[in-house]
Amino acid sequence: DTAVSQTPKYLVTQMGNDKSIKCEQNLGHDTMYWYKQDSKKFLKIMFSYNNKELIINETVPNRFSPKSPDKAHLNLHINSLELGDSAVYFCASSQDRLGSGNTIYFGEGSWLTVV
Amino acid sequence: SQKIEQNSEALNIQEGKTATLTCNYTNYSPAYLQWYRQDPGRGPVFLLLIRENEKEKRKERLKVTFDTTLKQSLFHITASQPADSATYLCGYNAGNMLTFGGGTRLMVKP
Repeated sequence: DTAVSQTPKYLVTQMGNDKSIKCEQNLGHDTMYWYKQDSKKFLKIMFSYNNKELIINETVPNRFSPKSPDKAHLNLHINSLELGDSAVYFCASSQDRLGSGNTIYFGEGSWLTVV
Repeated sequence: SQKIEQNSEALNIQEGKTATLTCNYTNYSPAYLQWYRQDPGRGPVFLLLIRENEKEKRKERLKVTFDTTLKQSLFHITASQPADSATYLCGYNAGNMLTFGGGTRLMVKP
């Protein structure tokens, strides 16, 4: 029944490692997002895909690479993890692009801790 | 640059009172604003959307206003309950992005 599901929920890893977070939505939405929420609780957009096409890439380091195999899935791969990457990563989706007033459905978040 | 600001200090109120949260934006005229609720350890959940041509929107005990002259949105919860305690996020659309403020934490005491 979960609308936007992401795995893993918790991830503790060492600096320099490569890790992936997976996301799937069963809402039939065309647009998916990755947001990052830092320790100060600011929620910032990282990427957005519409029907598997990248439409937003917000000055995120090249170590972060999103991949959308189909419009129901958007995965996030992070290379050479750094301490500053520790945050909560939220996957989200919307019916279509946001310009027409669509709302966003968020997943429960993936807590990444880099040690 | 575009900015959206919410009061970063927690708002503490007594049960039964009306909570009013503020969202201010600068250097941009969004077509709409959205309000979300976030509980600890959970993802944000959509509450209300208000468009620039709407002055007010209501949903049960929630009310949102949008003043394009003041560049401000107010979010009201009437007859507040302890279960309303959460962080409330305001976001505005900039093209295909929804940009969020830092959120305001609301604590409703019994």
